[in-house]
Amino acid sequence: LAKTTQPISMDSYEGQEVNITCSHNNIATNDYITWYQQFPSQGPRFIIQGYKTKVTNEVASLFIPADRKSSTLSLPRVSLSDTAVYYCLVFNNAGNMLTFGGGTRLMVKP
Amino acid sequence: DSGVTQTPKHLITATGQRVTLRCSPRSGDLSVYWYQQSLDQGLQFLIQYYNGEERAKGNILERFSAQQFPDLHSELNLSSLELGDSALYFCASSVGRGIKAPEQFFGPGTRLTVL
Repeated sequence: LAKTTQPISMDSYEGQEVNITCSHNNIATNDYITWYQQFPSQGPRFIIQGYKTKVTNEVASLFIPADRKSSTLSLPRVSLSDTAVYYCLVFNNAGNMLTFGGGTRLMVKP
Repeated sequence: DSGVTQTPKHLITATGQRVTLRCSPRSGDLSVYWYQQSLDQGLQFLIQYYNGEERAKGNILERFSAQQFPDLHSELNLSSLELGDSALYFCASSVGRGIKAPEQFFGPGTRLTVL
């Protein structure tokens, strides 16, 4: 069972790049790393998913080192609307024991 | 709009009672997941169903049960309710098995208040 650890909170300012790191020391071979964003009183929303190295989409990048024991979500040039909780999830396609981290509360200030 | 619907949106009940939460997955999705989110905790995975069968179990109490019906909608039954069961309950769906871990689409949630 892969357990994840994230910082509880982070502060940033508009226009800055934000990097949120998730630790998953006992990640299994078939596990993927997935990040979700959640606004208050809403369901989480998928941001990005990766297995190794680097993945980039229109909203974020995900960096995964060779040992895969951690991953870093990178949000370029954040805005006030990026204020949310970000969850790191380690999950395999077998669906065994889905594990969410405690989430990182990101506050973007003007 | 994720395409996942949950009813009711709000539910207020008393301790000891039983309630049923309902979830309709996105069209074509075979997997349904249930999560609990209380104020002091993050998202706690409860249970997953795939095409009618239980697939994975998380921190689900014995007082809670779920099922997925042939039309793929799912119900989460909570019985002998306690004050601590007050929380947001989310349902999510995904296509199901695949090469990668599937992207989950979350519904708007049901807010349960136990008085």
